[in-house]
Amino acid sequence: DTGVSQDPRHKITKRGQNVTFRCDPISEHNRLYWYRQTLGQGPEFLTYFQNEAQLEKSRLLSDRFSAERPKGSFSTLEIQRTEQGDSAMYLCASSLTWPGDNEKLFFGSGTQLSVL
Amino acid sequence: KQEVTQIPAALSVPEGENLVLNCSFTDSAIYNLQWFRQDPGKGLTSLLLIQSSQREQTSGRLNASLDKSSGRSTLYIAASQPGDSATYLCAVITANQAGTALIFGKGTTLSVSS
Repeated sequence: DTGVSQDPRHKITKRGQNVTFRCDPISEHNRLYWYRQTLGQGPEFLTYFQNEAQLEKSRLLSDRFSAERPKGSFSTLEIQRTEQGDSAMYLCASSLTWPGDNEKLFFGSGTQLSVL
Repeated sequence: KQEVTQIPAALSVPEGENLVLNCSFTDSAIYNLQWFRQDPGKGLTSLLLIQSSQREQTSGRLNASLDKSSGRSTLYIAASQPGDSATYLCAVITANQAGTALIFGKGTTLSVSS
């Protein structure tokens, strides 16, 4: 068990470009979450998967954002036509079951996106 | 809509002091509350999880309490050390919210000087 891993750690892109981030959750965890965090703020929920099904999307997740989790393993988050306002830390987290069942959430180290 | 507030936003203390971080939430119908630690530029590490039926949880020098009816939680850190310097965030899952994700506060940034 190597924990939740995210790749890349840092991404610098120009406005209008597309970017894709990857998250590998803890292997037996069937729930996977994406959060976004800007400086001085707490993480804000974007979307979550139970196995391969995307069960919920936040209003923060505009049409330019898409997430997948094929085969219920790793997940990707793609941002199309990036804007400067997309600059943030993108965090992935996983849990064995629903955190409301008193399961802890395990976070990756995040991908820091800078849009120039 | 659930809102989570953390006070103070920043705190500086000398090594060895005991300190308290505060978290408040507007909707008391929560399933649980978690405290996380975040080092600069890094992800979050879960410190303590308090179930809605519990009053407190302890782990080493950390003690978290929960008063669900008043919508408050505190994180007590005993005998602070420079290695405790980090941002501490609290998060709740609310029974009445449409979503199933944790709602976070903005955090308290702690600096412990040697």
